[in-house]
Amino acid sequence: DTGVSQDPRHKITKRGQNVTFRCDPISEHNRLYWYRQTLGQGPEFLTYFQNEAQLEKSRLLSDRFSAERPKGSFSTLEIQRTEQGDSAMYLCASEEGPEAFFGQGTRLTVV
Amino acid sequence: QKEVEQNSGPLSVPEGAIASLNCTYSDRVSQSFFWYRQYSGKSPELIMSIYSNGDKEDGRFTAQLNKASQYVSLLIRDSQPSDSATYLCAVMGSARQLTFGSGTQLTVLP
Repeated sequence: DTGVSQDPRHKITKRGQNVTFRCDPISEHNRLYWYRQTLGQGPEFLTYFQNEAQLEKSRLLSDRFSAERPKGSFSTLEIQRTEQGDSAMYLCASEEGPEAFFGQGTRLTVV
Repeated sequence: QKEVEQNSGPLSVPEGAIASLNCTYSDRVSQSFFWYRQYSGKSPELIMSIYSNGDKEDGRFTAQLNKASQYVSLLIRDSQPSDSATYLCAVMGSARQLTFGSGTQLTVLP
């Protein structure tokens, strides 16, 4: 499978715990994006990387959120001190040229 | 005003009919436009991209773009029950990220 891969697919955590998600982009793609999607809404942009550089962050990305892309390959998104409002589908996409392709997503439930 | 607006639906069409999905956007400098299909519980799947005014056809799908009217549409000909999904319109402006509409839920009735 040469598509975008995300892990885990599902995560249930207690409020206040930290969680980390991983994204492996399509290997030749330099740009990697994180989006968040809640029920009934379209995905909302969180942040993006060009190779290892984080070039833009949304105001949605509070200081409890941090993303990294060491060596310009896979990326991680960490949420510290999770809140119930963080429950959502977290989507990773990679892009080469203007077309972005999404991974399967990580569904986070904070209880 | 939302940056990308879609009729939320639901839109129901009989099998074999043409489904018409519409989208308007507010950022005049937007250059790239996309339609994604999302099945329930799954991630968005890119089905069409369009960058210049006019029509672009790919199989049963036709995307239409009118930059002057800031309008994008997707036509699905010979609709099939397997086309039942939420269709997301996405726009890329001067920034690199996509801005999505809330999606239109399409149901194709057998």
